[in-house]
Amino acid sequence: SQTIHQWPATLVQPVGSPLSLECTVEGTSNPNLYWYRQAAGRGLQLLFYSIGIGQISSEVPQNLSASRPQDRQFILSSKKLLLSDSGFYLCAWSVPGREETQYFGPGTRLLVL
Amino acid sequence: DAKTTQPPSMDCAEGRAANLPCNHSTISGNEYVYWYRQIHSQGPQYIIHGLKNNETNEMASLIITEDRKSSTLILPHATLRDTAVYYCIVRSYLSGAGSYQLTFGKGTKLSVIP
Repeated sequence: SQTIHQWPATLVQPVGSPLSLECTVEGTSNPNLYWYRQAAGRGLQLLFYSIGIGQISSEVPQNLSASRPQDRQFILSSKKLLLSDSGFYLCAWSVPGREETQYFGPGTRLLVL
Repeated sequence: DAKTTQPPSMDCAEGRAANLPCNHSTISGNEYVYWYRQIHSQGPQYIIHGLKNNETNEMASLIITEDRKSSTLILPHATLRDTAVYYCIVRSYLSGAGSYQLTFGKGTKLSVIP
């Protein structure tokens, strides 16, 4: 069966510090991968998605970036965090062509102080 | 994607069936109804989807009206662990027909009471 991992589970970082969040998927090949952010009391916002290694599409302009160095690994990064980057970051995967059925990871709660 | 309307909150007694309604009066012929839920502090979880026939899996049942303008998600024997926000989403099934983003509305906050 397929599983999706995210780490760390929680993170407290100072403003201006770098960020690296990792997501890995097991049990499937060539998945579509997604990074979402959920701010407190708000809906999910798609940040990035990837349909293959090295292929990243950004949905919103921001100081975050994403990379997909391996088929089942998706990394969210920032060189300098802002206060507004605080939130709940969720990684998800789907079968290619089946974007309407996405499977989410446990999430990383990020607090920027 | 068609718009959906759900009640903001519902209560259900533990062990009883939870029936969560969703209106989607503008649904078009190639759009499916999807249900997700989000337990507090966790990522959303896919539950079930359907087009026009009723569907059942190990988690829930989905009843879609004949005119497809509304549907009901049924949790047959609600437990305390079913307390969550439940989202009804209408999406086209066609590959490449829609965006990659899943758009969650405000959903229904289901509270299962002991």
